[in-house]
Amino acid sequence: DVKVTQSSRYLVKRTGEKVFLECVQDMDHENMFWYRQDPGLGLRLIYFSYDVKMKEKGDIPEGYSVSREKKERFSLILESASTNQTSMYLCASLPWGSVTDTQYFGPGTRLTVL
Amino acid sequence: AQKVTQAQTEISVVEKEDVTLDCVYETRDTTYYLFWYKQPPSGELVFLIRRNSFDEQNEISGRYSWNFQKSTSSFNFTITASQVVDSAVYFCALSEAKAGGSYIPTFGRGTSLIVHP
Repeated sequence: DVKVTQSSRYLVKRTGEKVFLECVQDMDHENMFWYRQDPGLGLRLIYFSYDVKMKEKGDIPEGYSVSREKKERFSLILESASTNQTSMYLCASLPWGSVTDTQYFGPGTRLTVL
Repeated sequence: AQKVTQAQTEISVVEKEDVTLDCVYETRDTTYYLFWYKQPPSGELVFLIRRNSFDEQNEISGRYSWNFQKSTSSFNFTITASQVVDSAVYFCALSEAKAGGSYIPTFGRGTSLIVHP
């Protein structure tokens, strides 16, 4: 059974804190994605990675960074959390070059920044 | 650039009503794939269907059916005899075929379906 896991379902942090969101997949997929989901705005791509140590900016990378040291793990980092980063964060994975495959999503992390 | 539009932000129906969720897409490619995902209140997106651009045959799976029309660039999703468990956010997505390499699916903004008992 394929699986994408995220380190926390719910997270509460304070403004200015450094926040790490972790995502792990067990399917040996090359591509991994971080999305942010807000009401009325759908899924917006923050960053994606197509290989270890490789990363590409998505549509809204400002205020975020990522790390991919191992193939199975893709971390999203909020260097200094702000209240406008309160949101649902979704991680997904996908095999390399596979346009026919569906993305596999994690359960999401609902982050609240106070 | 590819684009997906789900014009309906929220739909509210009473149980047993039929409901159609609209999806309109834009792409310059002749080869592409369309997807529908369901996101229940638990949060995890669940894959429902995939369609390639060369197959316009409509598909039915139980109470779910999909109508793909290239002439209008639409890939609409109908739920027949809706049930409370159908309450969720539904996303339409588009992927274009590229020669090797990675690609980025494009998602619509989602339609929130609320089914009242």
